[in-house]
Amino acid sequence: AQSVTQLGSHVSVSEGALVLLRCNYSSSVPPYLFWYVQYPNQGLQLLLKYTSAATLVKGINGFEAEFKKSETSFHLTKPSAHMSDAAEYFCAVSPSSNDYKLSFGAGTTVTVRA
Amino acid sequence: DAGVTQSPTHLIKTRGQQVTLRCSPKSGHDTVSWYQQALGQGPQFIFQYYEEEERQRGNFPDRFSGHQFPNYSSELNVNALLLGDSALYLCASSPLKSESNTEAFFGQGTRLTVV
Repeated sequence: AQSVTQLGSHVSVSEGALVLLRCNYSSSVPPYLFWYVQYPNQGLQLLLKYTSAATLVKGINGFEAEFKKSETSFHLTKPSAHMSDAAEYFCAVSPSSNDYKLSFGAGTTVTVRA
Repeated sequence: DAGVTQSPTHLIKTRGQQVTLRCSPKSGHDTVSWYQQALGQGPQFIFQYYEEEERQRGNFPDRFSGHQFPNYSSELNVNALLLGDSALYLCASSPLKSESNTEAFFGQGTRLTVV
């Protein structure tokens, strides 16, 4: 079975500061990992995905994530937070790159202080 | 392209009733997955439909059932509603599994409240 754990249910950052959201995975097979963002009263939007092509993955809105097999981690970062980054972020894992039976973490809510 | 559309957006039902939620996938997509997102939690996979058949199922009771139509749209049915079924129900569509560089697109969800 595959699963992800997101460390920290809430993260508060100042505008312009680094955003770091932590995700650790558990998988018996090579995982395919995703980060999604959810704005209030919206569905989920894909930020980026790891499909074994490269360990550093760049996504939309200036976000990137690094796959570290030794640490079983896939942390999401953004160098400089913007007010529009306030949202809930979910890490997810699936058995393959195009099998969308996704297992999600509990989510991390990001607030951005002016 | 309207993307993934779900209806209704909000719904209030009484315990014991039955509910049907609907989803139209993004143009060109033939696979539909349904997720339940309880308040403050991540989405949980309910099941996935492809070629009008349920292909994969998560850990949900038989009260949860679905259907996919020839035009790839889908319905989620929940019988004998419980208070614990109150959640945001998300539909996601994706293209043929044979394509490698794909992305699942999510609808805005249906907020179900059971009273």
